Amino acid sequence: GAGVSQSPSNKVTEKGKDVELRCDPISGHTALYWYRQSLGQGLEFLIYFQGNSAPDKSGLPSDRFSAERTGGSVSTLTIQRTQQEDSAVYLCASSLLVNSYEQYFGPGTRLTVT
Amino acid sequence: AQTVTQSQPEMSVQEAETVTLSCTYDTSESDYYLFWYKQPPSRQMILVIRQEAYKQQNATENRFSVNFQKAAKSFSLKISDSQLGDAAMYFCAYRSSRNNRKLIWGLGTSLAVNP
Repeated sequence: GAGVSQSPSNKVTEKGKDVELRCDPISGHTALYWYRQSLGQGLEFLIYFQGNSAPDKSGLPSDRFSAERTGGSVSTLTIQRTQQEDSAVYLCASSLLVNSYEQYFGPGTRLTVT
Repeated sequence: AQTVTQSQPEMSVQEAETVTLSCTYDTSESDYYLFWYKQPPSRQMILVIRQEAYKQQNATENRFSVNFQKAAKSFSLKISDSQLGDAAMYFCAYRSSRNNRKLIWGLGTSLAVNP
């Protein structure tokens, strides 16, 4: 079946603009994760969803970042008033259950803030 | 807090040879999972191998195997008979077995495979 998909693949935006990043998990996967991969800083956890609720938002770097998930499926990560330090690859992953071993990753969205 | 350290930013290996990538971690938990992920230039993160901390036997997946030393908090990845397609970034990751399901990542090792 189809894997995790993310859109857009690449996004260039001007500082101060809002952006929305979309993740479509594997059908039937109840858990969904967002990570940020910055150059030289590795991957950092942002938030995860179990169904439509987010038990752990501890990784969101500021209140400019928010995420939602609807219908237990698609998730949107929104960054308001983007800053240059937000430039990174944003990776989404899903797993069948929150206890599942494996997280399946999408190809990521490369965000560049100019 | 848990941390994962990969001390080799870059490694290289000759095709058909064996290479070992290092990973150490720090945790106060006794039950957890460790993973090696591969990230090729396509950016798609692919699970290579996983190890449950409660298992003493080292995990093996075809040409990939780990050396898991729980007391030393070490989790190295051995790639045997290296192939050109193995060239990628390799990340070591930790996950608690308790209520926190997030992956904690090392900074990665860039592996080059020379023909």
